[in-house]
Amino acid sequence: AQSVTQPDIHITVSEGASLELRCNYSYGATPYLFWYVQSPGQGLQLLLKYFSGDTLVQGIKGFEAEFKRSQSSFNLRKPSVHWSDAAEYFCAVGDNNAGNMLTFGGGTRLMVKP
Amino acid sequence: NAGVTQTPKFRVLKTGQSMTLLCAQDMNHEYMYWYRQDPGMGLRLIHYSVGEGTTAKGEVPDGYNVSRLKKQNFLLGLESAAPSQTSVYFCASRDPGTGNYEQYFGPGTRLTVT
Repeated sequence: AQSVTQPDIHITVSEGASLELRCNYSYGATPYLFWYVQSPGQGLQLLLKYFSGDTLVQGIKGFEAEFKRSQSSFNLRKPSVHWSDAAEYFCAVGDNNAGNMLTFGGGTRLMVKP
Repeated sequence: NAGVTQTPKFRVLKTGQSMTLLCAQDMNHEYMYWYRQDPGMGLRLIHYSVGEGTTAKGEVPDGYNVSRLKKQNFLLGLESAAPSQTSVYFCASRDPGTGNYEQYFGPGTRLTVT
């Protein structure tokens, strides 16, 4: 069965600093990987996704993520964090069997210091 | 397009009561999903549907039932609510024809069972 681990439950960074959120996955085949963001009291918004091809993917709001098969990782990065980036971030792996279900990590809550 | 909508937004139930959560999507998506979100556990799949008239169990189906009588609607039922079902419930949908595996999420329903 597939699984996703986000080792950091909380992260605090200063505004303007760089950010890296970690994600490790377990999946038997080529993974479909996603990062979603959830602002307080809101639903989930897709930041970016990886299916194949270039292992560095660009997303919305200046985020990027790099797929590293050898490390089973899909870490999310941003070079300069803005206060509006404070939210909870979820990594997910997609199942390419019937239903195409997503398995989510536990989430990382990002706080941004002024 | 409204996208994915959920009704109600908030609900408080007493133990043993029943209720139905409604998810509606106007994107003509074939697949629909119900997740629950609990602190530190990310989103976990309850049930899903790959088309009108079909449903299947996800990771945590016990205590829930679902129905997909119309393509645009996916109902989640709690027959006898328990405090362990206090959670935030999210509905999602996707179009399997696009090949991009992206799921579109509703805004969520916050349910408290006392």
